[in-house]
Amino acid sequence: GAGVSQSPRYKVAKRGQDVALRCDPISGHVSLFWYQQALGQGPEFLTYFQNEAQLDKSGLPSDRFFAERPEGSVSTLKIQRTQQEDSAVYLCASSLLLEKLFFGSGTQLSVL
Amino acid sequence: GESVGLHLPTLSVQEGDNSIINCAYSNSASDYFIWYKQESGKGPQFIIDIRSNMDKRQGQRVTVLLNKTVKHLSLQIAATQPGDSAVYFCAENSNTGNQFYFGTGTSLTVIP
Repeated sequence: GAGVSQSPRYKVAKRGQDVALRCDPISGHVSLFWYQQALGQGPEFLTYFQNEAQLDKSGLPSDRFFAERPEGSVSTLKIQRTQQEDSAVYLCASSLLLEKLFFGSGTQLSVL
Repeated sequence: GESVGLHLPTLSVQEGDNSIINCAYSNSASDYFIWYKQESGKGPQFIIDIRSNMDKRQGQRVTVLLNKTVKHLSLQIAATQPGDSAVYFCAENSNTGNQFYFGTGTSLTVIP
């Protein structure tokens, strides 16, 4: 596609449910990032992939958060046993290398 | 840790005037900076970037200035239009890391 695509656009989960958020990066982009954005705040880094390798996951807030990119293209961010504090917009970005990150529209997660 | 912040959380300008959005960073090792525009309900949109070997870079109606001495970055928007109303973020990266750190953001409102 022409840009980074994320799905679903909105997700409502009951506390304790597992969720999976999908990111389709720009074709050919090596780097893929996941960010979390709370209301009124700047994006906060979660994790980084170079192709299929997860090179940095230092921003994942707990072991309930897991990300994968098995074939070096599509990535999934999974959150297990969701909590209310997980409510945020989850942004995916891709780039050719480590420059000019292009973002998707994000998935807005609401945990009730 | 790295810290990227903005001097003014909100900015209102008259249509046609020039806008200046400021950003301070604390990591002297940062050598690459990006300005993003984020409209409500959308992901951050790339505006312009600059590397630390430059002091100034111009795009279409936008100019980014980098002052490494005082670790300050600014985005100038010429002839501001209503469509420029959005939240603007600066992001920094160092060549030793793969994380991009975002500031809190400045909300720009253009008054017709």
